[in-house]
Amino acid sequence: NAGVMQNPRHLVRRRGQEARLRCSPMKGHSHVYWYRQLPEEGLKFMVYLQKENIIDESGMPKERFSAEFPKEGPSILRIQQVVRGDSAAYFCASSTTSDNEQFFGPGTRLTVL
Amino acid sequence: AQSVTQLDSHVSVSEGTPVLLRCNYSSSYSPSLFWYVQHPNKGLQLLLKYTSAATLVKGINGFEAEFKKSETSFHLTKPSAHMSDAAEYFCVVLSFQGTYKYIFGTGTRLKVLA
Repeated sequence: NAGVMQNPRHLVRRRGQEARLRCSPMKGHSHVYWYRQLPEEGLKFMVYLQKENIIDESGMPKERFSAEFPKEGPSILRIQQVVRGDSAAYFCASSTTSDNEQFFGPGTRLTVL
Repeated sequence: AQSVTQLDSHVSVSEGTPVLLRCNYSSSYSPSLFWYVQHPNKGLQLLLKYTSAATLVKGINGFEAEFKKSETSFHLTKPSAHMSDAAEYFCVVLSFQGTYKYIFGTGTRLKVLA
């Protein structure tokens, strides 16, 4: 059983471009979470999704950020018009149920030039 | 709302000596607590979890943690540090605020000296 997969592992964008981060949960997991880790900080919750539904997006910035988890395919975290402050590591996690342990992917490290 | 406080941002120990990483939690009910480890430029790996069963929880790589309700603590210990234990450690509480979500501590960076 493969773990949580994220791609790309590293992403470089110039200011104003779009960034698309992908996450494939573990097999059998229908709950997906996105976190952001700024340098020297812990992980901060961004959004929680189940298939085709956003359950909790209380940690998402109000503008430029969006997430989806379609019926088929990976979950996508999309950042439009990136700014330097978006540079961070973005982690995806998945679980079988919402009150169970989460398994984390290796992360995508976004650098905005 | 639930929260966790990691009392030390950095801990240094010599190889072969005990490790103690401290975590206090705040919760209005019996929480689910986790310790994760993050090696440089890597993802997070679960070390152990407490979910209201035995208060002494054994994890991987020789780590264990004891849930102490009276002290609202969940400290992580290991009898003998190994060089490969050098990493960032996060204490996490599973919080319910309308939905379940992980609340992370700020992390403790463990340095192991030869």
